[in-house]
Amino acid sequence: QLLESGGGLVQPGGSLRLSCVGSGFTFNEYALNWVRQAPGKGLEWVSGITGLDNTYYADSVKGRITVSRDNSKNTVYLQLNSLRAEDTAVYYCAKDRYCSTNTCPMDHWGQGTLVTVSS
Amino acid sequence: AIRMTQSPSSFSASTGDRVTITCRASQGISNYLAWYQQKPGKAPRLLIYGASTLQDGVPSRFSGGGSGTDFTLTISWLQSEDFATYYCQQYYGYPYTFGPGTKLEIK
Repeated sequence: QLLESGGGLVQPGGSLRLSCVGSGFTFNEYALNWVRQAPGKGLEWVSGITGLDNTYYADSVKGRITVSRDNSKNTVYLQLNSLRAEDTAVYYCAKDRYCSTNTCPMDHWGQGTLVTVSS
Repeated sequence: AIRMTQSPSSFSASTGDRVTITCRASQGISNYLAWYQQKPGKAPRLLIYGASTLQDGVPSRFSGGGSGTDFTLTISWLQSEDFATYYCQQYYGYPYTFGPGTKLEIK
């Protein structure tokens, strides 16, 4: 239901745009998140965007990344700028579960796309 | 940001065992706590949300408890497919944060 793309090898200081296409649900009704996992490390929530286009970022990436969505294309994007070696990770797209509160757990995840920052 | 901690960081157990993983939040998060299971090379899987509500399709041997700052995940009868890494995550507020994970290994 979620399919990421756009990962690859990029030099330090470079930029990359990741995409995540959703299917099987009413895309514009759900918040979408980006979660990353560095090789051999744990999960790190990076960014989220609500159905109303409110955006949120982890302190570790604030100012260097931008999340956006195009509901007409059922797609959420993550623009990564000024990339560093420590940004090397698998980036997962994850959908919020339907819930009655403003913040919800993530019930569906994509397979991830690998971003490698290296010269 | 709310900091999440987990213990133990790793644990060895046998099939049929009952195991409990603990998670602590640096401030009260009510019951806005989720547990995920991740196997190598795979995306995480939501197991429990609202601290104690089982996600659809998750076996009933998994259970969660707690509220405020202290939470638990219990697997009552370990099966071979349960050996994985488990993460807690708070969604009380942005930025969401995860615990460092607990790796459950076969003894």
